[in-house]
Amino acid sequence: AQKITQTQPGMFVQEKEAVTLDCTYDTSDQSYGLFWYKQPSSGEMIFLIYQGSYDEQNATEGRYSLNFQKARKSANLVISASQLGDSAMYFCAMREGYGQNFVFGPGTRLSVLP
Amino acid sequence: EADIYQTPRYLVIGTGKKITLECSQTMGHDKMYWYQQDPGMELHLIHYSYGVNSTEKGDLSSESTVSRIRTEHFPLTLESARPSHTSQYLCASSDLGQGTDTQYFGPGTRLTVL
Repeated sequence: AQKITQTQPGMFVQEKEAVTLDCTYDTSDQSYGLFWYKQPSSGEMIFLIYQGSYDEQNATEGRYSLNFQKARKSANLVISASQLGDSAMYFCAMREGYGQNFVFGPGTRLSVLP
Repeated sequence: EADIYQTPRYLVIGTGKKITLECSQTMGHDKMYWYQQDPGMELHLIHYSYGVNSTEKGDLSSESTVSRIRTEHFPLTLESARPSHTSQYLCASSDLGQGTDTQYFGPGTRLTVL
């Protein structure tokens, strides 16, 4: 079974608008971490934001925020005020327990339109 | 900002050649990883290490081998390259001691085997 599901293979958003990228996860662990990465066409993986399973508040980093709904096992990424440079692949990832390996989702390709 | 380096960035090589992809990090992280990724697709873990002299195979079977003689260095070797090895290879490192175990990635090596 897929541990990380990203149901949107591709998304379009108008410049300066907000966009939500979906991520649902599956784990029976009580302690886990959720991550979002951005991969531009250059190929590098850029860490964006982290949410711990025990964190009560949603994580925010600049224009990025993570909408964490623990009961629904969802960790959606919200990008506010989209910029052309936000066009990239976005991967949701999860670390189960302590010191365990990561699991990545299949990714969502975001295209920001001028 | 992460300090993790990969060389070469691009490599085009003939079938049957032996190649080594270099990965180094200056953050003192104990954990290091190698992922294989086809363009626009999800990442597959092929090797990981929890410290010096520790190496494990990942989820995706790979004909490559790795070594971890020094904390900062985690090279990947293909004894005999084949066209099926054509892909992008991403190296990452993390430090559970920092609490989140966030993986930081190098810029990647794009390998083409003719």
